[in-house]
Amino acid sequence: EVRLAESGGGLVKPGGSLRLSCAATGFTFSNAWMHWVRQAPGKGLEWIGRVTDKIYGETTNYAAPVNGRFTISGDASKNTVYLQINSLRTEDTAVYYCTTEGLRVGATTLDFWGQGTLVTVSS
Amino acid sequence: YVLTQPPSVSVAPGKTATMTCGGNNIGSKSVHWYQQRPGQAPVLVVYYDNVRPSGIPERFTGSNSGNTATLTIGRVDAGDEADYYCQVWDSSSDHVVFGGGTKLTVL
Repeated sequence: EVRLAESGGGLVKPGGSLRLSCAATGFTFSNAWMHWVRQAPGKGLEWIGRVTDKIYGETTNYAAPVNGRFTISGDASKNTVYLQINSLRTEDTAVYYCTTEGLRVGATTLDFWGQGTLVTVSS
Repeated sequence: YVLTQPPSVSVAPGKTATMTCGGNNIGSKSVHWYQQRPGQAPVLVVYYDNVRPSGIPERFTGSNSGNTATLTIGRVDAGDEADYYCQVWDSSSDHVVFGGGTKLTVL
């Protein structure tokens, strides 16, 4: 059974940093493309970025609003994908989800989701 | 690339709910739909315009043509009340794009 478990969220002051983790089980992590998506309170889904698998060079791609502040990386030895967030702003307050791409169905679909971890940025 | 969804749709129990997702020549892209119940993570309900993942009822159907993709839910019940998001992959930017979401209310 595929499971994704995010952790690392919490209350952070503006300007601070945070590293979110997403532990994956039930599939071959090294072959998976992983994404991060966030959802601000009462708002819609916002794509953050993606890391490809080793075959595709573990390349990353980010949405414009977070490019330069957010970094996605993976550790196949721990079956974990990370999201490093720097220079946090109040508008980064959101639930952060990790997802798989095309694991069960086709490419470009986000087919498995974790339950999310809440990041609150406030002084 | 921008996807436009109506903020809300209301439907009576047992009737059919239709939710749209507009985008420039969206018919040339593959559209995926997600259901998000309150307090829960999104769940994929339709992918590649009109394919249901295993476990999703046949009541959920999708179509895509021209500038509009559509998710239709037949025989709606209270359990279908949720937010629904459309999503595409924009090949020009290599970015995932979500629509703003539609809140489905079952009257």
